Amino acid sequence: DAKTTQPPSMDCAEGRAANLPCNHSTISGNEYVYWYRQIHSQGPQYIIHGLKNNETNEMASLIITEDRKSSTLILPHATLRDTAVYYCIVSLVYGQNFVFGPGTRLSVLP
Amino acid sequence: DTGVSQDPRHKITKRGQNVTFRCDPISEHNRLYWYRQTLGQGPEFLTYFQNEAQLEKSRLLSDRFSAERPKGSFSTLEIQRTEQGDSAMYLCASSLVSGDNQPQHFGDGTRLSIL
Repeated sequence: DAKTTQPPSMDCAEGRAANLPCNHSTISGNEYVYWYRQIHSQGPQYIIHGLKNNETNEMASLIITEDRKSSTLILPHATLRDTAVYYCIVSLVYGQNFVFGPGTRLSVLP
Repeated sequence: DTGVSQDPRHKITKRGQNVTFRCDPISEHNRLYWYRQTLGQGPEFLTYFQNEAQLEKSRLLSDRFSAERPKGSFSTLEIQRTEQGDSAMYLCASSLVSGDNQPQHFGDGTRLSIL
């Protein structure tokens, strides 16, 4: 079973920030939080990952709570092309086989 | 394109036939994974290789499934005597296990349809 819980779906207006939550209350100290997204008929695309500190790259920001029991992926200015299923995964160092949940289907609306 | 490459992208076959898929990982990635994804679900882990060694197999990988990575580069996944339930997207991913943590990078998969 997946070690994460995500809302099944979310909507976001184009140009606004999309904030996707993820609960991982049983995360262990050496497990990373990874975020991927999957656009229809493509493979999952890596977005970002982190251990304890907040992380930012050209695609998104990852905010991890101090107790590490939850995190939020932030897409700062959502576009229509960000419409996808977003997966939050926790995994050990060196990325052992991922256990995917059903993810969050994000719809960016014009 | 230096990403993970999978071939073919689509495969349609009759029940009972054998099929083989190929995955070419990102160059120098030493770990290679196979996943299966059915409609509306997240990918499910099947097996992974570290170089040419197959280190873990999921209980989903029945005896009709076999995977190889003979030279530690490309990999093949074969399904013998295909069944209707084998219809799915088969995804390959690769990663570099090194001193720092590296994510898995996925290909766009092979979609298998069993008639």
